[in-house]
Amino acid sequence: TQLLEQSPQFLSIQEGENLTVYCNSSSVFSSLQWYRQEPGEGPVLLVTVVTGGEVKKLKRLTFQFGDARKDSSLHITAAQPGDTGLYLCAGNTPLVFGKGTRLSVIA
Amino acid sequence: DAGVIQSPRHEVTEMGQEVTLRCKPISGHDYLFWYRQTMMRGLELLIYFNNNVPIDDSGMPEDRFSAKMPNASFSTLKIQPSEPRDSAVYFCASSLASRGGGYTFGSGTRLTVV
Repeated sequence: TQLLEQSPQFLSIQEGENLTVYCNSSSVFSSLQWYRQEPGEGPVLLVTVVTGGEVKKLKRLTFQFGDARKDSSLHITAAQPGDTGLYLCAGNTPLVFGKGTRLSVIA
Repeated sequence: DAGVIQSPRHEVTEMGQEVTLRCKPISGHDYLFWYRQTMMRGLELLIYFNNNVPIDDSGMPEDRFSAKMPNASFSTLKIQPSEPRDSAVYFCASSLASRGGGYTFGSGTRLTVV
C-alpha cells in the first residue's frame, strides 16, 4: 500500500497569514488529488495534479506536484476563516488518503 | 444533481444490533466506494464496486461487515453484529472513470455503537 504522510497534522493561524501544508510519500504516484473536508460533510475535490513539477492555482490556493511525483504541497495566501477545514491529499486507484492537515483560521 | 445521498445521517445503536447504512450514488457514475473515517486511522477504504460488481473488499475489517449493490442507484453497508469499535463516520463516494477519477462524497453516516 502506498502511504501518504501529511504535515503538519494541525495548524492554527490568524486571518491574513500565508501557510503551506505538505503531502509526502516514498512511492511514485501517477497523480495526486487534494480535497477539503468541512465538519459534518464529506471531502470535496479541489484539484488533481498529474505532471511532475506541475503547478495549479485555484484563487488563493496554489498546488504543486513534486518533480519526482512523490510529494505535493498546498500553499494558501492570505488565509480566511472560510479556509478552515481538513485538507486531505489522495492518490492511487482506488484512492488512498493521507490523514490530513486540520487548518483553523482565526478572524 | 442532488449529489451522493447517504442515510441515515446519524445512527446510535446498542452493541450486538444490526446496522444498515444506505447510499444513492450520482446517476451515471460507474464506481461506488465505501470509506470509514476515524481520528486515529483517517479515511480507510472498505470496499468498492464497478458497474454494481464488488471489485475489492480487502478493506472490510471482519466478516461482520458486508456490502451490496443490487442496482446502479443503490448500495448498502451492513454490520452484524455491531461492536463499539465500529463507531466512526462512514462515507459513500461515487465516480465516473472517464472523468479522471475525482470522487464525489456523500455527507456521511455517523455511527455510534454503545
